[in-house]
Amino acid sequence: GAVVSQHPSWVICKSGTSVKIECRSLDFQATTMFWYRQFPKQSLMLMATSNEGSKATYEQGVEKDKFLINHASLTLSTLTVTSAHPEDSSFYICSAPRTITYNEQFFGPGTRLTVL
Amino acid sequence: QKEVEQNSGPLSVPEGAIASLNCTYSDRGSQSFFWYRQYSGKSPELIMFIYSNGDKEDGRFTAQLNKASQYVSLLIRDSQPSDSATYLCAVNIPYGQNFVFGPGTRLSVLP
Repeated sequence: GAVVSQHPSWVICKSGTSVKIECRSLDFQATTMFWYRQFPKQSLMLMATSNEGSKATYEQGVEKDKFLINHASLTLSTLTVTSAHPEDSSFYICSAPRTITYNEQFFGPGTRLTVL
Repeated sequence: QKEVEQNSGPLSVPEGAIASLNCTYSDRGSQSFFWYRQYSGKSPELIMFIYSNGDKEDGRFTAQLNKASQYVSLLIRDSQPSDSATYLCAVNIPYGQNFVFGPGTRLSVLP
């Protein structure tokens, strides 16, 4: 299957700091990437759609000023959690669809964020 | 009405049995259907996808799609303890690249 990487795999930070998470498609180009958040024992929650060369589309209830998304190239999208607080502690996962026909989505390994 | 529904489980089956996971969806325009497996603390991994009515087999896994009834299922034959995970059903949004995920069914295979 296609490979999507994320970095870092885990991060611990102090409240009030900003954290950047990178998502890369390693063997295919992705004009669109998706960012999800998952709390323990809950399902995936789509946060936003990252579009290469244009603004991200945020889901209802997700603060665009807090979760900054940049999709500067066809293989890289970044999510920056600004002024992180303990309630932002979660598992953040990106995904990218590989093909146009069936749009199989391939997930990155996820980033576990802990805000102290 | 939720767009994609699954029984949350847990679904417990003995080792060697067939596990049957079901998923229903509301948008009749959906054309592609996916099953993902997610182990605790890990990200989802694609098991298989199906887009035509009927059955699609891949090893111990069989996906079944019935568009008229708007359901898709996943059968796991000869279940193993290593199959214990949460199984997510995903349905594509027509003319889009995104999916709608179901809440997932937690499967427990008992040795």
